[in-house]
Amino acid sequence: GAVVSQHPSWVICKSGTSVKIECRSLDFQATTMFWYRQFPKQSLMLMATSNEGSKATYEQGVEKDKFLINHASLTLSTLTVTSAHPEDSSFYICSARVWQISNQPQHFGDGTRLSIL
Amino acid sequence: EDKVVQSPLSLVVHEGDTVTLNCSYEVTNFRSLLWYKQEKKAPTFLFMLTSSGIEKKSGRLSSILDKKELFSILNITATQTGDSAIYLCAVGLYTGTASKLTFGTGTRLQVTL
Repeated sequence: GAVVSQHPSWVICKSGTSVKIECRSLDFQATTMFWYRQFPKQSLMLMATSNEGSKATYEQGVEKDKFLINHASLTLSTLTVTSAHPEDSSFYICSARVWQISNQPQHFGDGTRLSIL
Repeated sequence: EDKVVQSPLSLVVHEGDTVTLNCSYEVTNFRSLLWYKQEKKAPTFLFMLTSSGIEKKSGRLSSILDKKELFSILNITATQTGDSAIYLCAVGLYTGTASKLTFGTGTRLQVTL
């Protein structure tokens, strides 16, 4: 149980393109999903907390106009990297927690490797 | 500022050895401490600790939390090459509406034959 699916797993695109990444909870509902970024040999840095039906909460230093988050249902959150540039190249990972069961761990998707040329 | 510090940063051991990985933290609004294993892709969940002094065990892995001294350890006995990975410690924090995780930098473990 508690499977999180992330798509696509790898994206290569030109500078200036916008890229959408999907995060789905497959066998549970998640009112809250989380988006992380991980640079090579570094740990996961929380970018934003995605709340179903309301605006996302962004961490300090993360541009909300650059990284658009939509959490339209209890099983789907999307992250759109707008007008991507080479410095946005990174590993993006989402996680979700089981709804209405307190004190549950976050379960992670397999991540999306984004390469901007 | 919330901090989670892991040590050592990297470790190379021989198959069959026992290893201890450390995680210390300085945070406000502590809720839980979690251990994850990260191989090539995203982290997989190992343990979640909320109470001091209660060991959690899964096969050759075990972990314990000390909330007074603000640290946790992850033990792996009889290591195997499949244990090679980055082990991440994360602290769950209350934020009002939802808790969030702050991660340490990880310990890179390599198990050799």
